[in-house]
Amino acid sequence: DTGVSQDPRHKITKRGQNVTFRCDPISEHNRLYWYRQTLGQGPEFLTYFQNEAQLEKSRLLSDRFSAERPKGSFSTLEIQRTEQGDSAMYLCASSYYHVAAGVYEQYFGPGTRLTVT
Amino acid sequence: GQQVMQIPQYQHVQEGEDFTTYCNSSTTLSNIQWYKQRPGGHPVFLIQLVKSGEVKKQKRLTFQFGEAKKNSSLHITATQTTDVGTYFCAPGANSKLTFGKGITLSVRP
Repeated sequence: DTGVSQDPRHKITKRGQNVTFRCDPISEHNRLYWYRQTLGQGPEFLTYFQNEAQLEKSRLLSDRFSAERPKGSFSTLEIQRTEQGDSAMYLCASSYYHVAAGVYEQYFGPGTRLTVT
Repeated sequence: GQQVMQIPQYQHVQEGEDFTTYCNSSTTLSNIQWYKQRPGGHPVFLIQLVKSGEVKKQKRLTFQFGEAKKNSSLHITATQTTDVGTYFCAPGANSKLTFGKGITLSVRP
């Protein structure tokens, strides 16, 4: 399977704990995105990378959230001191971008469902 | 960001009926993408519209971008039970997508 993969698929944690999620994008894709989705809502943009550079981070994103893509391949999203309001599905997506060709569709992974108790 | 409205949030149709949903923006959009999310699944890309008045078809699905590039529509001809899911429109700006709340379609067999 050469799609976007995410690990773990489910995470239950207690309030105040730190969690880290991993995303492996499609190998030839240079852009990687993180979104958060709650019930009844569309995915909400969190941040994105082009290769290893983090190009944009949502202003709504608390400083408890940090993301990395150290080698321009996989990415991690860490949430420190989790709160109940962090409970959501965390989606990763990847796409190929070329300045001349423009932006193409994003391919989403299956997501990591976080439950903070 | 570029906000879009999708109303209503839920729609129920009888199998075989046609279905149309709209995506509206107060600002001019550079492009818009549509995604479908099945229950328990993740969003899957359907189409991207870029040009004013553009119409694209995928089998029973027809997508249109308004002349003023402020709205878009999705029309499904003769709905089937496989069409159930949530359909999101998402304008793209500098690669970032801003998803609407989506419309959840249910189809009665």
